[in-house]
Amino acid sequence: SQTIHQWPATLVQPVGSPLSLECTVEGTSNPNLYWYRQAAGRGLQLLFYSVGIGQISSEVPQNLSASRPQDRQFILSSKKLLLSDSGFYLCAWIPGMTEAFFGQGTRLTVV
Amino acid sequence: GQQLNQSPQSMFIQEGEDVSMNCTSSSIFNTWLWYKQDPGEGPVLLIALYKAGELTSNGRLTAQFGITRKDSFLNISASIPSDVGIYFCAVSGNTPLVFGKGTRLSVIA
Repeated sequence: SQTIHQWPATLVQPVGSPLSLECTVEGTSNPNLYWYRQAAGRGLQLLFYSVGIGQISSEVPQNLSASRPQDRQFILSSKKLLLSDSGFYLCAWIPGMTEAFFGQGTRLTVV
Repeated sequence: GQQLNQSPQSMFIQEGEDVSMNCTSSSIFNTWLWYKQDPGEGPVLLIALYKAGELTSNGRLTAQFGITRKDSFLNISASIPSDVGIYFCAVSGNTPLVFGKGTRLSVIA
């Protein structure tokens, strides 16, 4: 069966520090992977998606970047965090553009 | 990007009451989905709708794909405390999955 892992679960980082969130998928190959952000009490904002190694599409220009160094690995990064980067970050695997399988999420607080 | 209008934004109901929420779009979509997010977790798929006019049930949940393919609703009958969470509609087409802003449901025992 397929499993999606995301870590860390929580993170508190100072303004201006770098960020690296990792997402990995097991049990499938060449997955379509997505990063979403959810601000407190708000909806899901699509940040990046990737259909393969080295292929990244950005939905919203911002202080973040994404990379797909391996087939089943998707990384969300920032060189310098802003207060507005705080939120709940979710990695998702969406096979066939229908059902989305989400990781457990990372709650990021920038202080 | 695509915009989904989901309403209401939040609801406070008594245990045992029925709940109804809906989602509309200015564009036509071929697939409508409803997800639930428990606090601190990722959303989980509740119901998927693939055909205009389709009415699908999952236990106490019922969802319908609007005949115009621009809207969908979700009903929850006889609500219970574990129904608490955020309910999202989502659409799938030629673009990545797009989610509505969610309906936050609170159930008062």
